[in-house]
Amino acid sequence: QQQVKQSPQSLIVQKGGIPIINCAYENTAFDYFPWYQQFPGKGPALLIAIRPDVSEKKEGRFTISFNKSAKQFSLHIMDSQPGDSATYFCAASRTGGTSYGKLTFGQGTILTVHP
Amino acid sequence: NAGVTQTPKFRVLKTGQSMTLLCAQDMNHEYMYWYRQDPGMGLRLIHYSVGEGTTAKGEVPDGYNVSRLKKQNFLLGLESAAPSQTSVYFCASSSFPSGATDTQYFGPGTRLTVL
Repeated sequence: QQQVKQSPQSLIVQKGGIPIINCAYENTAFDYFPWYQQFPGKGPALLIAIRPDVSEKKEGRFTISFNKSAKQFSLHIMDSQPGDSATYFCAASRTGGTSYGKLTFGQGTILTVHP
Repeated sequence: NAGVTQTPKFRVLKTGQSMTLLCAQDMNHEYMYWYRQDPGMGLRLIHYSVGEGTTAKGEVPDGYNVSRLKKQNFLLGLESAAPSQTSVYFCASSSFPSGATDTQYFGPGTRLTVL
């Protein structure tokens, strides 16, 4: 059962464009939503995260938008650069209970930013 | 401070052979995790540990065993490898999830091929 669905599977944009990656979740108990960035041959690294008490969070050129009622969240990359080319994973977890700390990941999006 | 390290980086096994993947972290983290990454599937949790001497099953535990004899080490074992276990394996660690920061730190991965 895939509890976090991510789209699109791949995305190509030109430098300066604003790629948007979307995720939808099913478990309403989830209360922590991170995005991880992975470069080829490396492990994923935390990029930005949000909790459902806010609808938007910005860190530099990266923004998470969160819609609790729709059970959806998305990653926007402003002024994208070729160095942003990577695989992006959304994830979700709940803080508390036996699932404490366990992340459920989306399927991943391969982003390519052309110069 | 090496963070999370994994040994080996690459391995080729024949069906039925056994092996152990080693994960080590020097951040004094309580929680450790083993994931597998397959194309189009994201990262799926195999087993995890919330402290020394404790382990628990994740999403896809069949065919794998784990041990956490020391706080800094988390071992993943394959007793009888199968081609379906061909994957990239990632170890991760985190401090006790506090609600403030639940960052998981990933190792560089082990690419395993089972023939």
